[in-house]
Amino acid sequence: AQSVTQLDSQVPVFEEAPVELRCNYSSSVSVYLFWYVQYPNQGLQLLLKYLSGSTLVESINGFEAEFNKSQTSFHLRKPSVHISDTAEYFCAVSEGSGGSYIPTFGRGTSLIVHP
Amino acid sequence: DGGITQSPKYLFRKEGQNVTLSCEQNLNHDAMYWYRQDPGQGLRLIYYSQIVNDFQKGDIAEGYSVSREKKESFPLTVTSAQKNPTAFYLCASSIVTGHEQYFGPGTRLTVT
Repeated sequence: AQSVTQLDSQVPVFEEAPVELRCNYSSSVSVYLFWYVQYPNQGLQLLLKYLSGSTLVESINGFEAEFNKSQTSFHLRKPSVHISDTAEYFCAVSEGSGGSYIPTFGRGTSLIVHP
Repeated sequence: DGGITQSPKYLFRKEGQNVTLSCEQNLNHDAMYWYRQDPGQGLRLIYYSQIVNDFQKGDIAEGYSVSREKKESFPLTVTSAQKNPTAFYLCASSIVTGHEQYFGPGTRLTVT
């Protein structure tokens, strides 16, 4: 069965600084990978996803993530953060052919952007 | 405007009472899910359904029940057997299992 580890529970950063939120997974089959964002007292919204093809995926608001199969990682990055990026970020993995298909979520990383 | 709705936003109940949380989607998605979210624990899967009239237990199904009589609806009942029901509950749907999920706004349940 797959599992997801988000190594940092909280990441404080100053506005306009770069940030990386780490995500590692374990699975014995091919995977689909997702990053979701959650603002306080709201549901989750899809930020970006990797299904196949290019290992570098981008979102419309400047985030990007790179699928690294050898390191089983899918870290989320942004070169310059804004106050509005303050939120909880969840990494999720679901297995493809031969796997469970049911997504597993990490425990989340709280990104706190200071002015 | 397609989406997934949950009602109510906040729900208060006395201990020992069953309570049903509503989840409706008009995205024509086959798969639907219920998650429980507690601080620092991420999302834990309660139940999921891949097709009408079929559903499967997730990781923490004890004390919960669901039904899937219509494609659009997947209500969750929190029974009195659930030992610690106070939590934030999230409903989600996807075209099929494994694909990206669309989440509702959540229901915060408080049991005293």
